[in-house]
Amino acid sequence: EVQLVESGGGLIQPGGSLRLSCAASGFTFKTYWMHWVRQAAGKGPVWVSRISSDGRSTSYADSVKGRFTISRDNAKNTLYLRMNSLRAEDTAVYYCVQCSGGNCNWGQGTLVTVSS
Amino acid sequence: QAVVTQEPSLTVSPGGTVTLTCGSSTGAVTSGHYPYWFQQRPGQAPRTLIYDISSKHSWTPARFSGSLLGGKAALTLSGAQPEDEAEYYCLLSYSGDWVFGGGTKLTVL
Repeated sequence: EVQLVESGGGLIQPGGSLRLSCAASGFTFKTYWMHWVRQAAGKGPVWVSRISSDGRSTSYADSVKGRFTISRDNAKNTLYLRMNSLRAEDTAVYYCVQCSGGNCNWGQGTLVTVSS
Repeated sequence: QAVVTQEPSLTVSPGGTVTLTCGSSTGAVTSGHYPYWFQQRPGQAPRTLIYDISSKHSWTPARFSGSLLGGKAALTLSGAQPEDEAEYYCLLSYSGDWVFGGGTKLTVL
């Protein structure tokens, strides 16, 4: 069974930094592209970033480009999202997402609140 | 980046039929966008209903179907049930980058 467990969220002041982690199990992590998706309260999901299976290719939504960095450690089966220069509008639940065989598996999410 | 559009809200009568659509600002939605449809209930993560335009999972009720319609991806619900009341989001892939639609709040009333 695929399991994705996010951690690292919390309350952070504007301009601050956080690193989110997503521990993956139940599938061969190193063979899958991975994504981060966020969802603000009462809003729809928004794609944030993705990384190729070997980590060499990354892409970002315009809203986070230059501030967020996605990475992965295939030896540790872990996905990361480094978030710098955080803004109030980055407040959301952040999910890591893996798609396989047409099904997209979501973690339970970790809440990031950017507020002074 | 592209913008994906959905109807903000739709209402269907129990037992009725409704079609939700998903359009792309870049032009017609095609199989190359690998359209997904997700259902989300309050407090839960989205659940995959349809992938690759029309493919279903074992848990997808038979009353849901996906298609391409008039240059858009479409999700049709035939024989709506009260438990189908939820938010529905489409997802399109643009060369590996994702864009979600804004969602359709479906009311069964």
